[in-house]
Amino acid sequence: IAGITQAPTSQILAAGRRMTLRCTQDMRHNAMYWYRQDLGLGLRLIHYSNTAGTTGKGEVPDGYSVSRANTDDFPLTLASAVPSQTSVYFCASSDGHHSGANVLTFGAGSRLTVL
Amino acid sequence: GENVEQHPSTLSVQEGDSAVIKCTYSDSASNYFPWYKQELGKRPQLIIDIRSNVGEKKDQRIAVTLNKTAKHFSLHITETQPEDSAVYFCACLTSGTYKYIFGTGTRLKVLA
Repeated sequence: IAGITQAPTSQILAAGRRMTLRCTQDMRHNAMYWYRQDLGLGLRLIHYSNTAGTTGKGEVPDGYSVSRANTDDFPLTLASAVPSQTSVYFCASSDGHHSGANVLTFGAGSRLTVL
Repeated sequence: GENVEQHPSTLSVQEGDSAVIKCTYSDSASNYFPWYKQELGKRPQLIIDIRSNVGEKKDQRIAVTLNKTAKHFSLHITETQPEDSAVYFCACLTSGTYKYIFGTGTRLKVLA
């Protein structure tokens, strides 16, 4: 089934530990994104990638890094997790054409708790 | 930077009544405005979108209007039903970028 797969679904992590959230899409979309969702704050963009090999910073990039080695994968890494990074993380993708469909498709989310 | 304000944050309506959610954006270069619905524990799903060359778009009970001069757009849901209860997010995409900026969400409750 075409779409976006995120892993893990849920994780509890000790502060200071390193964590990578995985995201894979099979729609051959050019653009991929990571958002975090917190109550009352909506969806905030962490990092994005226009195409394989390029990445950009979103609204709240501090404490996070990403890579885009190929079209399908867009992992998000927390180098040293802190409690304020407790959130639900959504990966998303779009075909990335400015004048095209632009529809953003979301993964099911990863719930991360940092203690 | 780009900013999207969404109001109200919560909205309760009686079943059968209409609901209106409004968003204001700051970047005049924004040219694509989607609305997403998120049910509890689920991922956001696109319900309707509008481009900057159109003033209004309708799909059955939902419609979106865009006022480019005032830089705001609104979601209208008519004949609301209990299954419309969810959190709704507006978003903007600025021309020439791939960055979608979201509003803070509106929790809609439809009372039976």
